Amino acid sequence: QVQLQESGPGLVKPSQTLSLTCTVSGGSINSGDYYWSWIRQHPGKGLEFIGFISYTGRTYYNPSLRSRVSISSDTSKNQFSLRLNSVTAADSAVYYCSRGETGGYGLALAIWGQGTRVTVSS
Amino acid sequence: DIQMTQSPSSLSASVGDRVTITCRASQSISTYLNWYQQKPGKAPKLLISAASSLQSGVPSRFSGSGSGTDFTLTISSLQPEDFATYYCQQSYSALYTFGQGTNLEIK
Repeated sequence: QVQLQESGPGLVKPSQTLSLTCTVSGGSINSGDYYWSWIRQHPGKGLEFIGFISYTGRTYYNPSLRSRVSISSDTSKNQFSLRLNSVTAADSAVYYCSRGETGGYGLALAIWGQGTRVTVSS
Repeated sequence: DIQMTQSPSSLSASVGDRVTITCRASQSISTYLNWYQQKPGKAPKLLISAASSLQSGVPSRFSGSGSGTDFTLTISSLQPEDFATYYCQQSYSALYTFGQGTNLEIK
């Protein structure tokens, strides 16, 4: 059974870089037609898709974050990571990693990590 | 960008009720529509993909329908564990936008 677990600092200072890692267990990030994704949820708000890295290494980023975000993977550790530069208080949110699946129906986020809360504050 | 609008934003219902949540897309998305359930403090859970395909392990009281711009999630007989927030998500375009959510509360 595939499981995902986010890790990283819970507190980041304004203007610094938010870095989170998602560790995948029970399956390889190299296998299958999967899209390893990041989503965030601002306090009491809805869900915002940040981006993904595919099993081929292709990346996609939400245009509203594209200038500040990067997603990478480390197949040797079976992890993928999120970096968000120049953070402000508006980046405070719960960040989720997820395994996206396609099957002729676009991208469905089928497996999620438990989420990690990140606060941007000095 | 494709905007997703859910209605209602909140809903009070009783155990055993039949409930329908609506999701409308700002342009046609065929059946590229997913539904998620989120309980407080937990990650969302995928219920339905491709507008009507029930995920493995999801109770059959959940069903989805629609195509184009108008979609519905129906719970045929509410159970106590169904009280949660429900989100639709379009997977037609790469922005993968979500609706604002529908909070289903106990009456």
